[in-house]
Amino acid sequence: AQSVTQLDSQVPVFEEAPVELRCNYSSSVSVYLFWYVQYPNQGLQLLLKYLSGSTLVKGINGFEAEFNKSQTSFHLRKPSVHISDTAEYFCAVSASGRRALTFGSGTRLQVQP
Amino acid sequence: ETGVTQSPTHLIKTRGQQVTLRCSSQSGHNTVSWYQQALGQGPQFIFQYYREEENGRGNFPPRFSGLQFPNYSSELNVNALELDDSALYLCASRTDRGYADTQYFGPGTRLTVL
Repeated sequence: AQSVTQLDSQVPVFEEAPVELRCNYSSSVSVYLFWYVQYPNQGLQLLLKYLSGSTLVKGINGFEAEFNKSQTSFHLRKPSVHISDTAEYFCAVSASGRRALTFGSGTRLQVQP
Repeated sequence: ETGVTQSPTHLIKTRGQQVTLRCSSQSGHNTVSWYQQALGQGPQFIFQYYREEENGRGNFPPRFSGLQFPNYSSELNVNALELDDSALYLCASRTDRGYADTQYFGPGTRLTVL
């Protein structure tokens, strides 16, 4: 079984500042890793995913994440945030691409002017 | 826009009633999954259907059931509703063409049980 821990429930940050949202996972098998964003009253949108290969993954809207196998982490970063990035961010894992996603509890990113 | 639609948007039911939620997937997406997202939590996997058969289930009781139809639509049925069933229900669809195909989520149905 897999589990995901998102260490921060809320992250306040000023506009144009950098941000890192932390995600750690636990699994006895190799996993695929995902970050999703959820805007208010909407479903989930995929930001990026790690399947294999380069540990630095670039996604949409200027986000990137780095897979660290030794630390079982997959932290999400953005060098300069915008007001429009205010949303809930979910880290998720799956034992294979064909299986269910296991989500963390989410991190609310609040970008302040 | 993910091409995945869900209906209704909102629904209010009372304890003990039954409810049916609907999802329409993108054309060609033969796999659909349903998730329950309680307030302030991440989505939890309910079950997955592939070519009209259930092929994976999370830790949910049998009163949660589903159907998938050949026209890329699907249903989630919940019997004997309980207060704790109040949540946002999300469906997600994908193809089965390769590993780690992206799951596309619908906007969800918010169910309130009184």
